[in-house]
Amino acid sequence: QKEVEQNSGPLSVPEGAIASLNCTYSDRVSQSFFWYRQYSGKSPELIMSIYSNGDKEDGRFTAQLNKASQYVSLLIRDSQPSDSATYLCAVKLVRRTYKYIFGTGTRLKVLA
Amino acid sequence: DAMVIQNPRYQVTQFGKPVTLSCSQTLNHNVMYWYQQKSSQAPKLLFHYYDKDFNNEADTPDNFQSRRPNTSFCFLDIRSPGLGDAAMYLCATSRVLGQGAWGEKLFFGSGTQLSVL
Repeated sequence: QKEVEQNSGPLSVPEGAIASLNCTYSDRVSQSFFWYRQYSGKSPELIMSIYSNGDKEDGRFTAQLNKASQYVSLLIRDSQPSDSATYLCAVKLVRRTYKYIFGTGTRLKVLA
Repeated sequence: DAMVIQNPRYQVTQFGKPVTLSCSQTLNHNVMYWYQQKSSQAPKLLFHYYDKDFNNEADTPDNFQSRRPNTSFCFLDIRSPGLGDAAMYLCATSRVLGQGAWGEKLFFGSGTQLSVL
């Protein structure tokens, strides 16, 4: 089992719709979760971070965390063509190693 | 602005010819990371430094080495690049607030795209 798993997509949504991206992780004691957006040929940029169960909203983005199910998701409301990118889920492992493990990413296409 | 800088943005090397990628940071972060990312794949952690303590991933090939001469700089050395080493190499930093503290995000550089001919 991979440490962080995502559906590779592509996920296609029409402009203005809600895009829902999902991620599962295997390390039950993980505490910190991040969503990064990556455009082709560019480095990842942070969209959201979440540490507690429940929802966290920032503008058009909402991150959801369920530690019991080891599941984290990202919702993008009012999707725009500029949101078309690969979305990477990252989990920070606890312990002294301070490691961040990434999923393979979900490619999102927002259709104008 | 404080940031993470990687040079060069694009690097072309020959099969078997040693190459060094560089990373510098003005954030004064104590942890620096090197990730390898191939097309359509997840960034793969190669190693990281917590201050001067080097942490190598078990599956990082011996062909990859790293140096961190001071807080600001970190280098990735590929001793004998193969065709399979062509990838984007990402340097990142994070700040550790204290033992047991967590939650700090990764700050990425712009990456170095390595081609091996």
